[in-house]
Amino acid sequence: GAVVSQHPSWVICKSGTSVKIECRSLDFQATTMFWYRQFPKQSLMLMATSNEGSKATYEQGVEKDKFLINHASLTLSTLTVTSAHPEDSSFYICSATGGADTQYFGPGTRLTVL
Amino acid sequence: GENVEQHPSTLSVQEGDSAVIKCTYSDSASNYFPWYKQELGKRPQLIIDIRSNVGEKKDQRIAVTLNKTAKHFSLHITETQPEDSAVYFCAARKSYNTDKLIFGTGTRLQVFP
Repeated sequence: GAVVSQHPSWVICKSGTSVKIECRSLDFQATTMFWYRQFPKQSLMLMATSNEGSKATYEQGVEKDKFLINHASLTLSTLTVTSAHPEDSSFYICSATGGADTQYFGPGTRLTVL
Repeated sequence: GENVEQHPSTLSVQEGDSAVIKCTYSDSASNYFPWYKQELGKRPQLIIDIRSNVGEKKDQRIAVTLNKTAKHFSLHITETQPEDSAVYFCAARKSYNTDKLIFGTGTRLQVFP
């Protein structure tokens, strides 16, 4: 089956620093990647949709200058949380689709901002 | 925009019993409805999905039914086992111009031995 990896799996950073999270499709070309945020015991909240070679489409209420998304190739998308603050602490999950219906999820990245 | 409601939020059953989780969606143009299982701290895993041209789909102990008229779909798990314990999310996707999934709020299922 399709495999999506994420790196790092967890990260702790100081307030004010930036953190980059990578999402890779390992065995298929991902035409579209999605970035979600998930708070404890809550649902998946879509942050943005990322298509290779074009600008990401952000959901309402998500600051594009704070959450920078780059989809440089058909197998890699990155999310950079800029000037992170404690309220940005969360579980960030990416997913990828190769043009069919199914979205395959990465294992997630737990971000803790001190 | 699309809105997906999911009930119940928690569900406890005895091992061997059946579990049913229900979702309703608002956009009649939605045409794809996956169900994901998420264990604590892990990624969501697709367990079954259904498209709008089908009323029911079954895969071993798991089945999904879709009522397009009423705009609701349900997940049925029979002969539940303790390893079925997890959070289950339904989702809906519009048919045009997007691959976006709108997720329900999740159901925490506990299966007691």
